Amino acid sequence: AQSVTQPDIHITVSEGASLELRCNYSYGATPYLFWYVQSPGQGLQLLLKYFSGDTLVQGIKGFEAEFKRSQSSFNLRKPSVHWSDAAEYFCAVGARNTDKLIFGTGTRLQVFP
Amino acid sequence: DTGVSQDPRHKITKRGQNVTFRCDPISEHNRLYWYRQTLGQGPEFLTYFQNEAQLEKSRLLSDRFSAERPKGSFSTLEIQRTEQGDSAMYLCASSPGRGANVLTFGAGSRLTVL
Repeated sequence: AQSVTQPDIHITVSEGASLELRCNYSYGATPYLFWYVQSPGQGLQLLLKYFSGDTLVQGIKGFEAEFKRSQSSFNLRKPSVHWSDAAEYFCAVGARNTDKLIFGTGTRLQVFP
Repeated sequence: DTGVSQDPRHKITKRGQNVTFRCDPISEHNRLYWYRQTLGQGPEFLTYFQNEAQLEKSRLLSDRFSAERPKGSFSTLEIQRTEQGDSAMYLCASSPGRGANVLTFGAGSRLTVL
């Protein structure tokens, strides 16, 4: 079955610390992978995507993610977190022949000053 | 380009009433999607349109739910005889299509059923 697992429900970091949010997927076809961010009461904003090619992708707001096929993972990283990064982060998987995205349950990021 | 617009942003209704949500996608996008997001969960796919054709519906979309996109522009999602379990955020998204999968989401319509 197709699925996305985000094992960390809630993460708290200090401002300026590094961040890694985990995402594992199960998908039969070659996956397209995405990270979206959602601020309270808002819709989802695309941070970055991976379709093919270089497995390290850069996104907006200083985020990057690395696709590791052998581990079925697509973890999101940021070297130095800002207070404005506090939000909910969703990993999603799709494929070339479908328009549906399957989302994980999300990771809530809290940033302390 | 004003992005994806959804209306209303918030709706409170009593159980058994009907509600309708509207979505205006990005004008040049021919694909439109509806997702539902409940508290503590990620968005779940409901249905999507290519222009005015509804191409796929999730099993989550019971017969009380109906979605339309009559002229291939805006879309409506109607829920009849609402139940408390329908309380959720209803998200609309659009994309250029052709397998690009890059969805642009609206801010959502939050439904509370009392």
